[in-house]
Amino acid sequence: GAGVSQTPSNKVTEKGKYVELRCDPISGHTALYWYRQSLGQGPEFLIYFQGTGAADDSGLPNDRFFAVRPEGSVSTLKIQRTERGDSAVYLCASSMIAGAYNEQFFGPGTRLTVL
Amino acid sequence: AQTVTQSQPEMSVQEAETVTLSCTYDTSESDYYLFWYKQPPSRQMILVIRQEAYKQQNATENRFSVNFQKAAKSFSLKISDSQLGDAAMYFCAYLTTSGTYKYIFGTGTRLKVLA
Repeated sequence: GAGVSQTPSNKVTEKGKYVELRCDPISGHTALYWYRQSLGQGPEFLIYFQGTGAADDSGLPNDRFFAVRPEGSVSTLKIQRTERGDSAVYLCASSMIAGAYNEQFFGPGTRLTVL
Repeated sequence: AQTVTQSQPEMSVQEAETVTLSCTYDTSESDYYLFWYKQPPSRQMILVIRQEAYKQQNATENRFSVNFQKAAKSFSLKISDSQLGDAAMYFCAYLTTSGTYKYIFGTGTRLKVLA
């Protein structure tokens, strides 16, 4: 596609439920990044992939969060046993390759609300 | 660890006037990249301008320019001839060149443009 797309745009769930958030990167982009943006804050890094492998997952807050990218394209961020504190906008970005000079293109995000 | 600070939660500017958004950062690295991103209500982060730390010349992109003071660890964004479409959240971001390509964002500045 022309840009990074994320589905769903909005997700409302109940505390304790499992959710999956999907990211479709720009075609041909090998690097993919997940960020979390809480209300009134800047985005915070969660994880990034180069190809199929997670190159840096140091930002995942705990073991309830997990992300996959099995074919090196689409990625899914999975959150188990959701908590109210997980409510945020989850942003995905992609770049041609992972590198300092390769612009990260962002999607519109998924707004997750945990009741 | 690197940190990015934006001390202006909100700024206002009259249409056609000039405004400067402030950003300071802390790092022990000598080589890195700095960015300004714009986030309109659509939530999609848009790259405004980029600065490589090893370049002494300040970056410029049309009406947008930066004042990069490496010794002072300051990176301000100047918007000239402000337009209504410039109204958005602006985030300053740091990117290390030491092998992991995650942005560290500031908390953002909301820019209002007055007609």
